[in-house]
Amino acid sequence: EDQVTQSPEALRLQEGESSSLNCSYTVSGLRGLFWYRQDPGKGPEFLFTLYSAGEEKEKERLKATLTKKESFLHITAPKPEDSATYLCAVQVSGNTPLVFGKGTRLSVIA
Amino acid sequence: SAVISQKPSRDICQRGTSLTIQCQVDSQVTMMFWYRQQPGQSLTLIATANQGSEATYESGFVIDKFPISRPNLTFSTLTVSNMSPEDSSIYLCSVVRRNYGYTFGSGTRLTVV
Repeated sequence: EDQVTQSPEALRLQEGESSSLNCSYTVSGLRGLFWYRQDPGKGPEFLFTLYSAGEEKEKERLKATLTKKESFLHITAPKPEDSATYLCAVQVSGNTPLVFGKGTRLSVIA
Repeated sequence: SAVISQKPSRDICQRGTSLTIQCQVDSQVTMMFWYRQQPGQSLTLIATANQGSEATYESGFVIDKFPISRPNLTFSTLTVSNMSPEDSSIYLCSVVRRNYGYTFGSGTRLTVV
């Protein structure tokens, strides 16, 4: 069974305190790994897609990396507006639905 | 990315009643997915809806409880039938398009009282 595990479940940071979120996966085959941001009461907002081990992508204070077993979302010098739930999901094949982890709830305190 | 309009954004319903959620996409897509997100939990796939065929349901979800319609390539509905408080969740539709990836609607927050 395809599984995605995210850690930690919740993370509280001071503004400017960098950290990383982890997403480990056990899948039959990986077509892509996705990171989304979700604000309360809203749908997931796309951040990154990673396709192969060693790939990295950056957007503002966020950087996503991928290995053969896990992905990291690095947050550099976070701001309070980065507070949200960050979801990791995998695409196993073709246009199949994504399989999601439970998310990491990030709070950044000013 | 595809723009998805999902309605209603939220509703409070009496137990035993039904609610139909609509998803309208701004372009034709083959596959649409319906997810449920229970409080504090991640997204769980309910079913995959392809135009012109019956929806494919995941384990634990049945057509009598969650009937889905997919009349054309830009529209789908999910009905939550005979609701109970355990159905209180956020319901999300999603589409996938080549070169645009997976996009989600803004969600429907359902509270059953």
